[in-house]
Amino acid sequence: EPEVTQTPSHQVTQMGQEVILRCVPISNHLYFYWYRQILGQKVEFLVSFYNNEISEKSEIFDDQFSVERPDGSNFTLKIRSTKLEDSAMYFCASRSSGISYEQYFGPGTRLTVT
Amino acid sequence: AQTVTQSQPEMSVQEAETVTLSCTYDTSESDYYLFWYKQPPSRQMILVIRQEAYKQQNATENRFSVNFQKAAKSFSLKISDSQLGDAAMYFCAYRSAISNFGNEKLTFGTGTRLTIIP
Repeated sequence: EPEVTQTPSHQVTQMGQEVILRCVPISNHLYFYWYRQILGQKVEFLVSFYNNEISEKSEIFDDQFSVERPDGSNFTLKIRSTKLEDSAMYFCASRSSGISYEQYFGPGTRLTVT
Repeated sequence: AQTVTQSQPEMSVQEAETVTLSCTYDTSESDYYLFWYKQPPSRQMILVIRQEAYKQQNATENRFSVNFQKAAKSFSLKISDSQLGDAAMYFCAYRSAISNFGNEKLTFGTGTRLTIIP
């Protein structure tokens, strides 16, 4: 069964450094999402992406964040200058354009900012 | 803005018994989708079940079923014949059914941690 994959599974970085989290959505999916989950808290929406454009972003998704689909398979989330409060689990999700509206989630990347 | 509330931070159930997890939501929309996601210790989010608001019939997936009360804005999950593998965090989520690109996000509740007692 196709699945969303994410790399790395765990990233440790120092405050102020740039990080890129990578996702490979399911191959025929056209809609892509990033969510984050601070430890012990609920999952929060960051951004949705379709047709090489951001379709919606949350208040969390400020100028420090950017997303890109650099080729036909990858979908990346970049944090330009990480802060301690960016430490969280980051989930990528994708869905198809058909009648199914399920978003399929990847296993997540745990980001630790020290 | 839509909100999703899960009032039970933790629940426990004996193996093979039935448990119901509660979820309420607030929306002014008439058409939407509701989901239950399971997050085991591995942290991956796994879709358990989905309900379309326009459908009166409650969704069922094997041992998992929902009780959808649209007027009350309630969406509970019933797990029958609980198994050890059901132990996880369960999140209720809402998604608008309006088909424009600005309404695709899932809005999650705070989750219920389910423990299965052998």
